[in-house]
Amino acid sequence: AQSVAQPEDQVNVAEGNPLTVKCTYSVSGNPYLFWYVQYPNRGLQFLLKYITGDNLVKGSYGFEAEFNKSQTSFHLKKPSALVSDSALYFCAVRDRDSGYALNFGKGTSLLVTP
Amino acid sequence: SAVISQKPSRDICQRGTSLTIQCQVDSQVTMMFWYRQQPGQSLTLIATANQGSEATYESGFVIDKFPISRPNLTFSTLTVSNMSPEDSSIYLCSVRGGLTGELFFGEGSRLTVL
Repeated sequence: AQSVAQPEDQVNVAEGNPLTVKCTYSVSGNPYLFWYVQYPNRGLQFLLKYITGDNLVKGSYGFEAEFNKSQTSFHLKKPSALVSDSALYFCAVRDRDSGYALNFGKGTSLLVTP
Repeated sequence: SAVISQKPSRDICQRGTSLTIQCQVDSQVTMMFWYRQQPGQSLTLIATANQGSEATYESGFVIDKFPISRPNLTFSTLTVSNMSPEDSSIYLCSVRGGLTGELFFGEGSRLTVL
């Protein structure tokens, strides 16, 4: 079985401050990990992925994520938040040896205030 | 990345009726996935649709309620049958983007059942 947990329903951060959105995962094998963003009334947009190699992954819009195997975490980060980053963020996982569908976390709402 | 178009983008339906959602992709893809996002919830996989074979449904979803067609490599439909208010959700079509398995999503079809 594979699953992800996003422990925070909402994260609030002031514009210009660093942000972190947390994600932990559980898979039986080696994971593929993903972050998506959903703006209001829109579909999901792919941000970044971890497949193998460097534990720090860089993605779209200045976001990055750090894979930590020992802590089974894949936290999303950005050094300086923008008001326009306010959205719903989903972490997702796939076991390399399973099918291609992704399992999604429950989502974290990010609010960046001016 | 693939460009995915869904129709309708939104609809208001009466209890007991059925609605078919269309998903068109701008390139040929083997796998297509249908997800449901209930209000304030995460994404739940309904089924995987491969061209030339029957769709594979996840636990809790049945073909009689959510029949799927996949007539070719660029198109799929999902029907929500005999709708009830509990079916009010966003239904999302997605396709696999590459060997490493990130999924790309359509904008979703927001259904409200009265």
